[in-house]
Amino acid sequence: KAGVTQTPRYLIKTRGQQVTLSCSPISGHRSVSWYQQTPGQGLQFLFEYFSETQRNKGNFPGRFSGRQFSNSRSEMNVSTLELGDSALYLCASSLVGLRWGEYNEQFFGPGTRLTVL
Amino acid sequence: GENVEQHPSTLSVQEGDSAVIKCTYSDSASNYFPWYKQELGKGPQLIIDIRSNVGEKKDQRIAVTLNKTAKHFSLHITETQPEDSAVYFCAAKGNFNKFYFGSGTKLNVKP
Repeated sequence: KAGVTQTPRYLIKTRGQQVTLSCSPISGHRSVSWYQQTPGQGLQFLFEYFSETQRNKGNFPGRFSGRQFSNSRSEMNVSTLELGDSALYLCASSLVGLRWGEYNEQFFGPGTRLTVL
Repeated sequence: GENVEQHPSTLSVQEGDSAVIKCTYSDSASNYFPWYKQELGKGPQLIIDIRSNVGEKKDQRIAVTLNKTAKHFSLHITETQPEDSAVYFCAAKGNFNKFYFGSGTKLNVKP
């Protein structure tokens, strides 16, 4: 079974530009979450999508947005890039969306390394 | 919201020794605690997890313990090997799939 795939793996942009990252979850997984990983802030939750709906959102500015398609593939977009947006962006998928009291493993993709110059 | 603290930030052990990484969490409603291993250039890989109705779980050389009263959980790696060298993250699950991560522990196993 193929794992979570993310494209592109590496990206270099300049300040002010926008970028779109793509994530394909494990087959059958309907929940997709996005995280930003930086040396200073660690792993920070961006948002989670389930059945094309954003169910949860972290504390990031509105420049960060996402969406999910009917096949569960997800994209995230960052507009008006800033130097501080340089990070590894990780996507994770899970079999079903989880409520309080329910559990399911979350599997990560390899990430997209974004560098903003 | 949930706050997860992880210690130590770096850990150096001799091959064959044991390694212990500790995490605390703040939200008593958190009920699922996974541990991830991240190697250079890769995404985090789930290595073991524990649910709030269990106090301990073991998988070969790795084990996790959970103390709900004290709100802390720990990762134990026995008979460490050089390939165990990586960054380890603990996490606590919040609502839906929102996970809160510790700051990571860089484990170095010296041959």
